[in-house]
This record gives sequence, structure tokens and C-alpha cells, in this order.
Amino acid sequence: EAQVTQNPRYLITVTGKKLTVTCSQNMNHEYMSWYRQDPGLGLRQIYYSMNVEVTDKGDVPEGYKVSRKEKRNFPLILESPSPNQTSLYFCASRQVGRGYGYTFGSGTRLTVV
Amino acid sequence: QQQVKQSPQSLIVQKGGISIINCAYENTAFDYFPWYQQFPGKGPALLIAIRPDVSEKKEGRFTISFNKSAKQFSLHIMDSQPGDSATYFCAASIGNTDKLIFGTGTRLQVFP
Repeated sequence: EAQVTQNPRYLITVTGKKLTVTCSQNMNHEYMSWYRQDPGLGLRQIYYSMNVEVTDKGDVPEGYKVSRKEKRNFPLILESPSPNQTSLYFCASRQVGRGYGYTFGSGTRLTVV
Repeated sequence: QQQVKQSPQSLIVQKGGISIINCAYENTAFDYFPWYQQFPGKGPALLIAIRPDVSEKKEGRFTISFNKSAKQFSLHIMDSQPGDSATYFCAASIGNTDKLIFGTGTRLQVFP
């Protein structure tokens, strides 16, 4: 089944403890992206990648890191999580070409206490 | 400049009625305008999209109307059904990047 897989689905952590949310897609998509979703704010793009080893900042990159060493994987790293990073996170991927929309993962609900 | 403003925040429509969601943007560099649909507990999914050289696009009961001069676009759902109850997001992107700016979302409830 074509899909974007994120892990974990739920995570509770403490302030300052480094964490990684993994994202993998099996559709051979070139483009991958991370979003956070907060009530009343919609979806905001954190980072995106248009190719292996190529990443660019979205609208809210502060406090996050990403890497794209392989085409299928795009992990999101929080080096020192803070409570304001409590959110619902989505990874997404898509084919090259303007008519192709993103396929989103099922989301990771992160709580930082 | 990068914002996409979406309204209303929530919408209640009777079955069979028309649902209308509006979005406005400022950045004239935006050149692709998709709409995403999100059901509770799921990630968003692409519903329909339009480019600014077209004033209207229809797919089944879903229609995007685009007004380039006013920098506004809207989603119309004809014959709304309870299964359309979801959150809808408009979005905009710029051609040579994959930067995608979303609106704040509209929660649609369709009652039988």
C-alpha cells in the first residue's frame, strides 16, 4: 500500500530531551515536507526537501532540524524540545509536478512537558 | 505577504445545500492553489486545485472559483452531504519552490 509512515504516533517527553520523529514513504516521491498543525493556526510548514541532501526552511523552522540522506526517509529532529513545540506533526510526500498533491502521514501528536 | 486568509472558521449546512469557503492572499507570486480535506484523526488529502490562469475548475460536486484581480478564491460544495463533514484548508504555493502556505481551516458540518 502506498503510504507515508510516521513514528511514533504519540509521544510525551520532557523539556530539553532530544527526540526524533521518523518519516518514510514507499512511493519513490522526490518531495517531502514536515508540517505542524495547531488549533486556529492551520498547518504550518517546518521544512521541505526537493531532493536527497537538499532541504529548505518553511515558515516555522526554529527549533527543528531535518535531514534527507535517502530518498524515502525524512526525519524531524528536535534537539531541545520546549513546551511551545507541543503540537500535531505531519510528514508528507509528493511527486514532482504542479498537479500532484501531497500524501500525508497519519500524524504524530507530541506533548512536551 | 505570505499569508492565506480563510473564512469562515466553521460552517453548518443542511444536507443538499451549498457550502462556500473563501480564501484571500496577498503575494502575487503564488501560482498554484490547492484545497485539502481532513477528516478527524487523519492527515489532509488533496481535494481539488487550480492555477491562476483559470477562473473556475469543477470536479464532481466540488468547484473552485478564482478571481485573480481580487486575489481571492473559493471552494463551493454543491449538494452537500453528511460525508462531506470535515475540515477544509485552502493553500497557495510558489512555482520553483515546494513552499506551501495553508489557510487556518474551515470546519464544515453537514446535517441530514
